Amino acid sequence: SYVVTQPPSVSVAPGKTARITCGGNNIGSKSVHWYQQKPGQAPVVVIYYDSDRPSGIPERFSGSNSGNTATLTISRVEAGDEADYYCQVWDSSSDQIFGGGTKLTVL
Amino acid sequence: QITLKESGPTLVKPTQTLTLTCTFSGFSLSTSGVGVGWIRQPPGKALEWLALIYWDDDKRYSSSLKSRLTITKDTSKNQVVLTMTNVDPVDTAAYYCARSRGTQTYYFDYWGQGTLVTVSS
Repeated sequence: SYVVTQPPSVSVAPGKTARITCGGNNIGSKSVHWYQQKPGQAPVVVIYYDSDRPSGIPERFSGSNSGNTATLTISRVEAGDEADYYCQVWDSSSDQIFGGGTKLTVL
Repeated sequence: QITLKESGPTLVKPTQTLTLTCTFSGFSLSTSGVGVGWIRQPPGKALEWLALIYWDDDKRYSSSLKSRLTITKDTSKNQVVLTMTNVDPVDTAAYYCARSRGTQTYYFDYWGQGTLVTVSS
């Protein structure tokens, strides 16, 4: 079965850039979606199909996907960006897969 | 306005069958390309995809839980029902339903608030 790996935590100072990765074998050939989940709330999609951004999501959120790593980039990080972030991919052997999640801490 | 809401028991005994209902509004599950899925999240842990039903009644299940899950839809009532048999304390989790966009490589664009289900005797 296909496995995706996220770092458990990422820390960043306000105003800096945060990069959260989602690693998997040849993940660049797959479509990756990213969700933000704040405590006690349902997840919200922030990036879909690698790099598309839903309406209402700030332009500070962007995504890329190549080789064995997909990356969610958050520019000019704000305190309100502190949350758990999950990647989601589809694989023929496992259907839908969520990553283990990354806790973003704003210092 | 698109909304989804999960309903069902908050406490279930081990070995029992869990039935959860997702009632939605603002879209139709008979529209091509639309699906409704279920995702769960044990306390303090990651999201886990469970199942999805497409507008054409195609159904997909998590391979690890396939033998215990059944997903159905009632288009006239705007509801999707997930049944999980033989529950165990490890099934304790928040259960979410969500609308999907696309096929196979879909993403979830609208989510319900989630419902916490505890499995305990």
